[in-house]
Formats: sequence, structure tokens, C-alpha cells
Amino acid sequence: GQQVMQIPQYQHVQEGEDFTTYCNSSTTLSNIQWYKQRPGGHPVFLIQLVKSGEVKKQKRLTFQFGEAKKNSSLHITATQTTDVGTYFCAARNYGGATNKLIFGTGTLLAVQP
Amino acid sequence: NAGVTQTPKFRVLKTGQSMTLLCAQDMNHEYMYWYRQDPGMGLRLIHYSVGEGTTAKGEVPDGYNVSRLKKQNFLLGLESAAPSQTSVYFCASSFGRDRGIDTQYFGPGTRLTVL
Repeated sequence: GQQVMQIPQYQHVQEGEDFTTYCNSSTTLSNIQWYKQRPGGHPVFLIQLVKSGEVKKQKRLTFQFGEAKKNSSLHITATQTTDVGTYFCAARNYGGATNKLIFGTGTLLAVQP
Repeated sequence: NAGVTQTPKFRVLKTGQSMTLLCAQDMNHEYMYWYRQDPGMGLRLIHYSVGEGTTAKGEVPDGYNVSRLKKQNFLLGLESAAPSQTSVYFCASSFGRDRGIDTQYFGPGTRLTVL
């Protein structure tokens, strides 16, 4: 079935360093969402990207959707300890139903003060 | 608003026992979902519902049943628990928009251990 690959699985950075996680699909996506899950918590919606080549920013977080709508990335500038957690992409296939979100395997970010 | 709540928070079962996980939402959402989360596997969809009285299979439905008798509640049942069902279970809900942003709101999770 449809798979969404996310890399890396784990990233450890020093506070102040940048961080990037990548999400890749073998099929064209209708849209992609990003969620953050704090340790011991539940996933929380961050953003949705819909258009080819779209770039959205939320303070230090920059989200990109690839031109071919098959990949996406999340970049955090100057990480802080509050950024710790697992970041998931969640993709909807082109023409797919609303209910069919496929989650990536997630990237666990650890930030050392 | 409480958002999405799940009962219980923790549970330990023996192999072969049955149990029901309850999910409730107070946001008048049409769509509800059950996921399981295992290390390195992300979130996998078990079953979902697009409205009261409807249910459908997700990626990993075997060994689970669901019911949506009321719009605000979505129940996940394990008829005969197996150690492979040890996991963290998340319920989520959304408006079910085909256009625009359809955010999924997650409950706090249920940590289930099957011995």
C-alpha cells in the first residue's frame, strides 16, 4: 500500500543548531500535513501544504512542498529545547478521500542545551 | 471544550481477554479515527468513521472492531487480545472537509499492554 518515508528517524542537535526532516512519497500527493508530538503526548497539527512548491513559515519553522508534490520538508532554524519531540508528516493521495491520511514514521528530535 | 478524550489511559490485559476503548469528542466532528502507534512505525490507521452509524477499515483492522452509535463517540473493541496488540492507541476526529484544511485532533492516548 501507499507508504510515506520520513528521514532521518532520529536527530540529536545542540541547542541553536538547525534541523531538517524530509518526507517522501512514491505517488503524487493531494496535500501534506505536519504534526508534532511531544514526549508522552499526542500529535498536534502544525500546518497543511497544498500547492506545488508551496513554502510556509511559522516563526523558526519553514515547511516546503515539492514541485512534483511527492516530497516535503520541515526545517527548524536555531533549535530550542522546546522543539524536542517527534515530527510526523501525514499525506493524502491525489484524489484520495478526506479520511485517508498516511502518516510517515516520524523524526525524533533531541535538543541538548 | 474537552476536545477529544479517551478512556482508559492505561490498561494491562492477559492474552485472550477482551476490552473496549472509548473515544469521545465534543467538537461536533463528522469523522473519527482510531490509530495505533508503535516504535519506528509511526501512526497506523485501524478503523475510521465518516459519520454516525458508519465505520470502515483502515490499514491494520485485523483483530479490532469498532462502533459509532452516537456522533460524539467512537468505540474500539478487542475481542481476544494478543501480545501483538500491545501499543499506544490514539483516537482522533476531524470535520471531514474535502477542501481546505481538515485538521485531525488527537486524544491523549491509551497505553495497552497485553501479556
